[in-house]
Amino acid sequence: AQSVSQHNHHVILSEAASLELGCNYSYGGTVNLFWYVQYPGQHLQLLLKYFSGDPLVKGIKGFEAEFIKSKFSFNLRKPSVQWSDTAEYFCAVQPTSGTYKYIFGTGTRLKVLA
Amino acid sequence: GAVVSQHPSWVICKSGTSVKIECRSLDFQATTMFWYRQFPKQSLMLMATSNEGSKATYEQGVEKDKFLINHASLTLSTLTVTSAHPEDSSFYICSARNSRSGNTIYFGEGSWLTVV
Repeated sequence: AQSVSQHNHHVILSEAASLELGCNYSYGGTVNLFWYVQYPGQHLQLLLKYFSGDPLVKGIKGFEAEFIKSKFSFNLRKPSVQWSDTAEYFCAVQPTSGTYKYIFGTGTRLKVLA
Repeated sequence: GAVVSQHPSWVICKSGTSVKIECRSLDFQATTMFWYRQFPKQSLMLMATSNEGSKATYEQGVEKDKFLINHASLTLSTLTVTSAHPEDSSFYICSARNSRSGNTIYFGEGSWLTVV
């Protein structure tokens, strides 16, 4: 069955700390990969996406993610977080065949302390 | 850029009534749209895949008679929550697939439903 796992459900960091959020997926075919952010009371915003090519992708607001095919992972990183990064982060996987529907992970709630 | 619009953004309805949420792709034709729901502090759960001109495909555990989906045109899909109950209160999000742009999927801003 297709699934997306985000191992860290809650993360608390101080400002300037480095961030890495894990995302692993289970799917036998080719996928596109995404990270979305949802600020409190707001809708989903796309942080970055991976379709093909360089497995290290850079997104908005200083975020980046690395696709490791052998590990079925797409971890999100940021070298130095800010208080404004407090939000919920969702990893999503999109099979490149069929309906192209997204499968979302359970989300990671990040709180950055000022 | 491509935009997906949902209406209404907020809706409060009485228990037992039905409420319709619209999802429109504003500058592209979407043969496929998706409906998600998100409970507070939880992830997005796919409810159904809406296909233009045909019946929606529902995910396991989603009641098709309760959550009616209609995709009558290439730019509009509607979700009707029938005989709503307080437990149906949730954030409903649609997304639309642009098959002419690498199958990119665009999300709507979501609709908050509160059933009282």
